Amino acid sequence: KAGVTQTPRYLIKTRGQQVTLSCSPISGHRSVSWYQQTPGQGLQFLFEYFSETQRNKGNFPGRFSGRQFSNSRSEMNVSTLELGDSALYLCASSWRDRGQETQYFGPGTRLLVL
Amino acid sequence: GENVEQHPSTLSVQEGDSAVIKCTYSDSASNYFPWYKQELGKGPQLIIDIRSNVGEKKDQRIAVTLNKTAKHFSLHITETQPEDSAVYFCAACTGNQFYFGTGTSLTVIP
Repeated sequence: KAGVTQTPRYLIKTRGQQVTLSCSPISGHRSVSWYQQTPGQGLQFLFEYFSETQRNKGNFPGRFSGRQFSNSRSEMNVSTLELGDSALYLCASSWRDRGQETQYFGPGTRLLVL
Repeated sequence: GENVEQHPSTLSVQEGDSAVIKCTYSDSASNYFPWYKQELGKGPQLIIDIRSNVGEKKDQRIAVTLNKTAKHFSLHITETQPEDSAVYFCAACTGNQFYFGTGTSLTVIP
């Protein structure tokens, strides 16, 4: 099976702009989670979608939003970009086995805000 | 919520030696403990995982041990090789809730 794919891989934006990142999960996986990774903060959970519904949400401001489509592909959007939004954004798709989700990560989108 | 602590933050070993990374968690409801390896410029890759009904699991040179009573689990890498150099993350999970440690940067010196 193909792994999790994320596009674009690299992005440069300026403060105040908005950005949309895309994630295609592993075929058959219905859950998609998004994480922000920075050197100082590690992996910070943004949100999780399952069957087009947001199932969990982390402690990020409303500028960060997401959605999931009927084919399980997901997008996340960041509006009014700030310098501190520069990070690696990781998407993970998961499937449930015996009541437990197993997550597989994509390669990430590296966002630089100037 | 769950709190996962990971130690050490950096670790250097000679090629061929063993490496051990330890994690503790706070929520006794956590029942699944995966480990991820992240190489430079890549996303984290699942390398091994263990469920709470198992005390130890091995896969070639890597093994994970779990002590539910003490709420800690460890990753053991034997006969380390330069390609093992990466950042390793532990996680404690319940269902669809994943809580990650802060990572350990492992360097294997040839």
